[in-house]
Amino acid sequence: DQQVKQNSPSLSVQEGRISILNCDYTNSMFDYFLWYKKYPAEGPTFLISISSIKDKNEDGRFTVFLNKSAKHLSLHIVPSQPGDSAVYFCAAAYNNNDMRFGAGTRLTVKP
Amino acid sequence: DAGITQSPRHKVTETGTPVTLRCHQTENHRYMYWYRQDPGHGLRLIHYSYGVKDTDKGEVSDGYSVSRSKTEDFLLTLESATSSQTSVYFCAISPGTSGGEETQYFGPGTRLLVL
Repeated sequence: DQQVKQNSPSLSVQEGRISILNCDYTNSMFDYFLWYKKYPAEGPTFLISISSIKDKNEDGRFTVFLNKSAKHLSLHIVPSQPGDSAVYFCAAAYNNNDMRFGAGTRLTVKP
Repeated sequence: DAGITQSPRHKVTETGTPVTLRCHQTENHRYMYWYRQDPGHGLRLIHYSYGVKDTDKGEVSDGYSVSRSKTEDFLLTLESATSSQTSVYFCAISPGTSGGEETQYFGPGTRLLVL
């Protein structure tokens, strides 16, 4: 029962262009959403988060959008850089005890 | 980076043997978590702790036990390892002060192979 889904296993974009990573969730109880970035042989690193009371949160090149009615969130990276190449995990939570993760999207940014 | 270490970083063991993984934090965070990462599944919660000697089950707890005797250490034990427990295991921590909207910070992971 995957409550958080990332339907694109991989994404390839050109350096300087926008990367858009998508995530869908099914549990309407989720009220806090996060994106993590993971390099090979390392642990996931927190990237950006958004509360359910907002629809957008921006941090430098990274912006997360939340559409509660559609149960959908997305991560925009602009401009994309080769160092952004990694696996990105979407996560959703409604308390400290239950954070659910998507299966991840592998982003490749080509020079 | 949050001060989280995991040991060992790599382990190969045989089916039926007990295995203990250790997570150590220097942040004095209240919550600690154990996850496993498998292809196609992302990260799944095994067990978590909300204080010394306070633990509870996560999504995939069967075959695993945990203990937390000190704030800084959280142990994950596979009583009798099986090949299905071959995975990458991540420890995470969070402060436990924000009433729910908290970020979890992850350790570097332990790669476990059960033959």
